[in-house]
This record gives sequence, C-alpha cells and structure tokens, in this order.
Amino acid sequence: AQSVTQLDSQVPVFEEAPVELRCNYSSSVSVYLFWYVQYPNQGLQLLLKYLSGSTLVKGINGFEAEFNKSQTSFHLRKPSVHISDTAEYFCAVSGTGGFKTIFGAGTRLFVKA
Amino acid sequence: DAGITQSPRHKVTETGTPVTLRCHQTENHRYMYWYRQDPGHGLRLIHYSYGVKDTDKGEVSDGYSVSRSKTEDFLLTLESATSSQTSVYFCAIGKGDGGTGELFFGEGSRLTVL
Repeated sequence: AQSVTQLDSQVPVFEEAPVELRCNYSSSVSVYLFWYVQYPNQGLQLLLKYLSGSTLVKGINGFEAEFNKSQTSFHLRKPSVHISDTAEYFCAVSGTGGFKTIFGAGTRLFVKA
Repeated sequence: DAGITQSPRHKVTETGTPVTLRCHQTENHRYMYWYRQDPGHGLRLIHYSYGVKDTDKGEVSDGYSVSRSKTEDFLLTLESATSSQTSVYFCAIGKGDGGTGELFFGEGSRLTVL
C-alpha cells in the first residue's frame, strides 16, 4: 500500500521569494508521482507528474519537482512566487499499474505582498 | 477539459435521508473515481470503477455505495446520510487507460448533512 506525507500544512511566503513544498511517500512498488493544485472553490488540476525518466520534472506556472528515490521524496519548488500562486497543493502517488491514486493532506501556500 | 460534470453541485439534506451524487463524463474513459475532501485529510478515495458494473472499494467506503450501469455515468449513493458525511465530493476520471493514476477532476459537489 502507498501513503503520502506532506510535511507542511501551511507555508506563508512573500511575493517573489522562492518556495519549496515537501512531500514524502512510502510504497513497496515502483511509483508514479503527481502534484495537483486547487484554487479556492475549484476542482483539482494537474501541476506536474513523474512517470519515468528524468528525475527533475517541470510543470505549469513555473513549478518543478524532483523525484528522489533514495529519500522517497518528491518536493515541489518554484524560484519566485506570485500572489496568484496562493492555493492548496496536493502531492499524490500511485503504484505502477495505476488505478488507485493516494493523496497527501495538502499544503496551503499563502503568498503575501 | 475532460468533460466531467457533477450534479448536484450543492445539496443540504437531513440525517437519515438517502442521497445520490452523479458524475457524468463525455470521453468514454474506463476508470472513474469518487473522492471526498475534508480539511486536514486531503482527498480520500471512496470507491472506484474500472468498467461498466465493475467497482471496488477505496480507503473510506463504509456508508457509501456506487453503481455504474453505463460507461459515462458513475453514481455515489449515501443510503442513510450522517453528519460525518458532510464533505466536498469529487469525481475523477483516469487519463488514458488509467494505468498511470493521473486524474482529471470534476468541479466537486458540496454536501451538508444536518
């Protein structure tokens, strides 16, 4: 079975500062990894994904994440955030063969002017 | 846009009443899912379907049942709603053949059980 731990429930940051949202997972099989973003009163949309290949993956809106198999982590980063990045971010994992995707508890990113 | 429509989008009901939420997709995807979202818990899988009349339980299936009689529709039923089932419910479909776990989500259905 898989599980996901998002290490920070809330992350406040000033506009134009860098940010890192941390995610660790556990799994007994190879995994696919995802970050989703949820803006207020909306559904979730895919930010980026790791399926295979390069461990550094780039997503929409300038976000990127690095898959670290030895540390079982998939941290999300952005070098310079904007007010519009204020949202809740979810890390998710599925085992190869997919079918069931498990989500972390979420991290609320607050970008302050 | 994966063509997912959830209905109703908002519902208030009383404890003990039955409730059915509907998820409709327009793109013939095989895998469909129901999640609930609660503060501090993220999204938790209730049930999923891998084809017409083929369903399985997720992490928090107690008190919920599902049905899928057509590829495009996946229904979530609360037989006798309780206050603990007050939540936002999201339907999702699995991209492609569902094998990677990548999901497209609907806009959500907010259910309040009084």
